[in-house]
Amino acid sequence: QVQLVQSGAEVKKPGSSAKVSCRASGGAFTTYTISWVRQAPGQGLEWMGGIIPVSGAINYAQRFQGSVTLSADESTSTAYMELNGLTSDDTAVYYCASALKGGPFDSWGQGTLVTVSA
Amino acid sequence: SYDLSQPPSVSVSPGQTASIACSGDKLGDEYASWYQQKPGQSPVLVIYEDVKRPSGIPERFSGSNSGNTATLTISGTQAMDEADYYCQAWDTSNVVFGGGTKLTVL
Repeated sequence: QVQLVQSGAEVKKPGSSAKVSCRASGGAFTTYTISWVRQAPGQGLEWMGGIIPVSGAINYAQRFQGSVTLSADESTSTAYMELNGLTSDDTAVYYCASALKGGPFDSWGQGTLVTVSA
Repeated sequence: SYDLSQPPSVSVSPGQTASIACSGDKLGDEYASWYQQKPGQSPVLVIYEDVKRPSGIPERFSGSNSGNTATLTISGTQAMDEADYYCQAWDTSNVVFGGGTKLTVL
């Protein structure tokens, strides 16, 4: 089972971008899909999109199409999520989670709090 | 888009059985997973492929999935089971989460 470690909390200005990293260890990075899940304060889990590092294939949830960019660096077993055009509504905890394609998310990162404030 | 519906809250007395439903069109044709999330913590997988328990998850957690409804059942509920629970399924290459159910153990 892979372990996922995310980058630290960030405070961003409205209109700027945030880039969160997720480093995998203890498993074959390229055999997993890495998904990103958002959780706004007091709200539920919302899937943003996922990437298959071995192929570079990416799927975005429709509501995040155009505002989120997912990428992965196989050499460092690290996945990235960049969120552009930040607004206060983007204040949330962002999780990365790993799954075999079509499978359950059996590993989760610790979460990264992104706060958008002027 | 595909939606999964859960009741916002469920209450149960200690030692009793708690059931949390997750409804979606023809959900029984897909595998359902369930996650437990306690305040300030990351979600934890408790049921996958409808009925399977990951290593380390107590036997009191069980699942079923048929027709349009998947169900998470916690037998002999303990105070430590108080948490938010989310169902999840794959819709082609997209992931769908239910809205979550807050389980209160009174």
